[in-house]
Amino acid sequence: GENVEQHPSTLSVQEGDSAVIKCTYSDSASNYFPWYKQELGKGPQLIIDIRSNVGEKKDQRIAVTLNKTAKHFSLHITETQPEDSAVYFCAASSGGGADGLTFGKGTHLIIQP
Amino acid sequence: EAGVVQSPRYKIIEKKQPVAFWCNPISGHNTLYWYLQNLGQGPELLIRYENEEAVDDSQLPKDRFSAERLKGVDSTLKIQPAELGDSAVYLCASSLSGSSSEAFFGQGTRLTVV
Repeated sequence: GENVEQHPSTLSVQEGDSAVIKCTYSDSASNYFPWYKQELGKGPQLIIDIRSNVGEKKDQRIAVTLNKTAKHFSLHITETQPEDSAVYFCAASSGGGADGLTFGKGTHLIIQP
Repeated sequence: EAGVVQSPRYKIIEKKQPVAFWCNPISGHNTLYWYLQNLGQGPELLIRYENEEAVDDSQLPKDRFSAERLKGVDSTLKIQPAELGDSAVYLCASSLSGSSSEAFFGQGTRLTVV
């Protein structure tokens, strides 16, 4: 089955700086890579996703890049703000959507004022 | 529009007791998922429903866990009997059917078994 590794487990950055979270996956058939943000006491919320036919996708301050050859994808957050503090999860599936998602272990992002 | 609704939010039970969780998905979402999230870990799929049919329950520990989705809308997840290791957050999610669907998660039920 799919295995998703996520690094780092904790990331502390100064407000206004950029944050990068990296994930690798094992199943070459995976074709859908979402990123979720989970705030304390809440369920995960989709913030951006990318499919295997695209190398990069951007939405305001967040962007995701995908390297299919190396089987890794990354989340980039620019101009970080206090409300970006949360746990971020990457995931992968081979079904093109929400079915069969395998999640990473999460990154606790801390934005220092 | 209401999101995925789960209840209760919190539950504390003694080991060997039964417990049930309830989920109401987003209206019109045919696909429903139950995930287990241990502390410091990502969600792990327990079971997926397409309407009222369980199409993937390979990760559900069937000796003590059961689930149902009568009429293809609301769903319940039951544990009987609960063990100390079952302490975790149980997340419900729903999505439209189809390969490009996004999963929407509820707030989860935090179970503590003492």
